[in-house]
Amino acid sequence: SQQGEEDPQALSIQEGENATMNCSYKTSINNLQWYRQNSGRGLVHLILIRSNEREKHSGRLRVTLDTSKKSSSLLITASRAADTASYFCATDGGGTGANSKLTFGKGITLSVRP
Amino acid sequence: SQTIHQWPATLVQPVGSPLSLECTVEGTSNPNLYWYRQAAGRGLQLLFYSVGIGQISSEVPQNLSASRPQDRQFILSSKKLLLSDSGFYLCAWSVPYAGGGREQYFGPGTRLTVT
Repeated sequence: SQQGEEDPQALSIQEGENATMNCSYKTSINNLQWYRQNSGRGLVHLILIRSNEREKHSGRLRVTLDTSKKSSSLLITASRAADTASYFCATDGGGTGANSKLTFGKGITLSVRP
Repeated sequence: SQTIHQWPATLVQPVGSPLSLECTVEGTSNPNLYWYRQAAGRGLQLLFYSVGIGQISSEVPQNLSASRPQDRQFILSSKKLLLSDSGFYLCAWSVPYAGGGREQYFGPGTRLTVT
C-alpha cells in the first residue's frame, strides 16, 4: 500500500511564485525524501530529511517534517518554468536486508506558467 | 562516479511474447537494486528489489520475474506478456543501509507497450 500521500494532486502557478506541496504518511519512518520526475524520464533525488530533523534547505528548496503529524512539506521558492515536473515524496522505514526499500506516494504535478 | 543504464528505451511487444529488460550500474559495489513500474499518470509501484546476487524480493504477485546474475546487473523478465504489463519501467540503485538514509538513483526508464 502507498505510504506517502501527496497533496494537492496538481498545482499550477505563475513563474516567480512559491509552490508548496504536502505529503502525509502513516507509519514511523527513519527519513523522508522528495524526488522530481520530468515527463518521460527517471526520478531525480532532491532532498532527504531525517526523522530527528524538522527543516532542511537546499538552494530554492525547503523541506519540513512534522513526525507528530506524520507530514512533510516541500516548498519551492521563486519558481521557474523549468520546475515544471512531477514531485514525489518517499518514506524510508530504515530497514535492512529484506526490509530495505522506499515507499513512494502518487506524486504531484506542478506546472509553472512563464 | 556512478551511472545506471537501462535498455531498451522503448519497446513494443505483442501479447504473449517474452520480455527481458536489463539494468546495469557502474561505479559502485554491492548496491541495492530495484525495479518499479509506473502506469500513465500514476505513482511508482515497487515490483522487485535485491540486496545481493541471487537475492530477490517480490512485492506483488504478477506476471513478471527478476534476476540478479551479477552484482551490478538486474534483469526483469516475463515469459508471456499481458496487456496490463504496459507501463514505464524504472530501475534504481541505492547504497546498502548504513544508518544514514538511502537515496535512490534512477535509470532513464523503459517505455513498454504491449499490443
